[in-house]
Amino acid sequence: GAVVSQHPSWVICKSGTSVKIECRSLDFQATTMFWYRQFPKQSLMLMATSNEGSKATYEQGVEKDKFLINHASLTLSTLTVTSAHPEDSSFYICSAKLAGGRNEQFFGPGTRLTVL
Amino acid sequence: GIQVEQSPPDLILQEGANSTLRCNFSDSVNNLQWFHQNPWGQLINLFYIPSGTKQNGRLSATTVATERYSLLYISSSQTTDSGVYFCAVGAGSYQLTFGKGTKLSVIP
Repeated sequence: GAVVSQHPSWVICKSGTSVKIECRSLDFQATTMFWYRQFPKQSLMLMATSNEGSKATYEQGVEKDKFLINHASLTLSTLTVTSAHPEDSSFYICSAKLAGGRNEQFFGPGTRLTVL
Repeated sequence: GIQVEQSPPDLILQEGANSTLRCNFSDSVNNLQWFHQNPWGQLINLFYIPSGTKQNGRLSATTVATERYSLLYISSSQTTDSGVYFCAVGAGSYQLTFGKGTKLSVIP
């Protein structure tokens, strides 16, 4: 149980284009999902907290107009990187917390974004 | 915000050896999780352990919340144990703060 999927697993795009990444909780409902970014050989940094039916909360230094987050249902959150540039190339990972219950988070397999 | 320190940063073990990874945190927590990140980047949940002791096969973990540290024990290590081990903590909100990780290499 508690499986989280992400799609796509990797994407290569041209500079200036937008990329959408989906995060789904497959066998549980998640009122809260999280988006992280991980640069090579570094730790995970929280970008934003996504709450179903409300606006996302962004961490300091994360541009909300560049990283658009939509949490449309209890099982789906999307991250759209708008007008991507090479410096946005990174590994993006989502996680989901079980609705109710304890605070444990379950992580998706990640999406590797390369912007040319 | 809360600070998380993991040690050692790197660890090389012979197959079959035991190891202890440490996670220190700077404030009271209501969530502490240990993860193993495999070579493909997937974070594998090892333990949810804001306090107490748990065991799962060759792995066990102990969190002493009053002294603000947690330990992850790996016994009889195998090459498949290689990867990065992260400790992540939460305090108050649901958000997790990650340590910088311990990179474990198990050699045959």
